Amino acid sequence: GESVGLHLPTLSVQEGDNSIINCAYSNSASDYFIWYKQESGKGPQFIIDIRSNMDKRQGQRVTVLLNKTVKHLSLQIAATQPGDSAVYFCAEKGYQAGTALIFGKGTTLSVSS
Amino acid sequence: DTAVSQTPKYLVTQMGNDKSIKCEQNLGHDTMYWYKQDSKKFLKIMFSYNNKELIINETVPNRFSPKSPDKAHLNLHINSLELGDSAVYFCASSPRGSFSTGELFFGEGSRLTVL
Repeated sequence: GESVGLHLPTLSVQEGDNSIINCAYSNSASDYFIWYKQESGKGPQFIIDIRSNMDKRQGQRVTVLLNKTVKHLSLQIAATQPGDSAVYFCAEKGYQAGTALIFGKGTTLSVSS
Repeated sequence: DTAVSQTPKYLVTQMGNDKSIKCEQNLGHDTMYWYKQDSKKFLKIMFSYNNKELIINETVPNRFSPKSPDKAHLNLHINSLELGDSAVYFCASSPRGSFSTGELFFGEGSRLTVL
C-alpha cells in the first residue's frame, strides 16, 4: 500500500485566502519530499521540494513545512487564486538511488472567487 | 518543444486486445518512468529505466512490458487488456543529477479505456 497519505481529500477556499494542505507519511527512512500540482487533464507539475535536513522551505507564494517528529508535511499557499485549483500530491523518496517517488492520494483544492 | 510527450493521449479498446503507449523525452534525462493513475487519482509507480536499464519493476502483471530502445524513449506495451487496466498512464523522466532526489517531469498522460 501507499506510505504517504493526505488528511483531506478536498479543500475549498475563497480567493485571497491562505490554503494549507496536509500530508502524513509513514516511512521514517524517507529523506526527500515533493509537492506536485495536477490540473485537470494534465500531468503533475513540480511545486516545491524539501530534504529531511530542513523543516521549512519557501517558494513563490508557497511554503512547505516538514515535521519529522510526527511525520507530517504541509503545503501552504498564500493568497490563493482560482488558478491554484487543482489536485495536490505530496510524494516521498528514500535517499537510495533506484527508489521511486511514492505519491499520496491527493487533495483537490477548489478556489472560488 | 514538449519536454515529455506521450502518444496516444486517448485510447479506447476492447478487452483482450494488445496496445502500446509511447513516450519520448527531449530533456536529455537518463531516467524514465511509467506511473498509473486510477480513477481515484492515486499515482502508482510501475517501472523505471535508467539509461535503458530496468531498475524498478513494481508488482505489475506480466501483461505489461516496458521497452526502452534508447534513453530518450520508454514505451509501454500491454497484452490481453482487462477492464481493470483502464486508467491514465503517465510517463516521467528525471535527470541523473536528481536521480537520488527524485524530481520528476511528467508527460500529459495517456487515458486508456478498456471496454
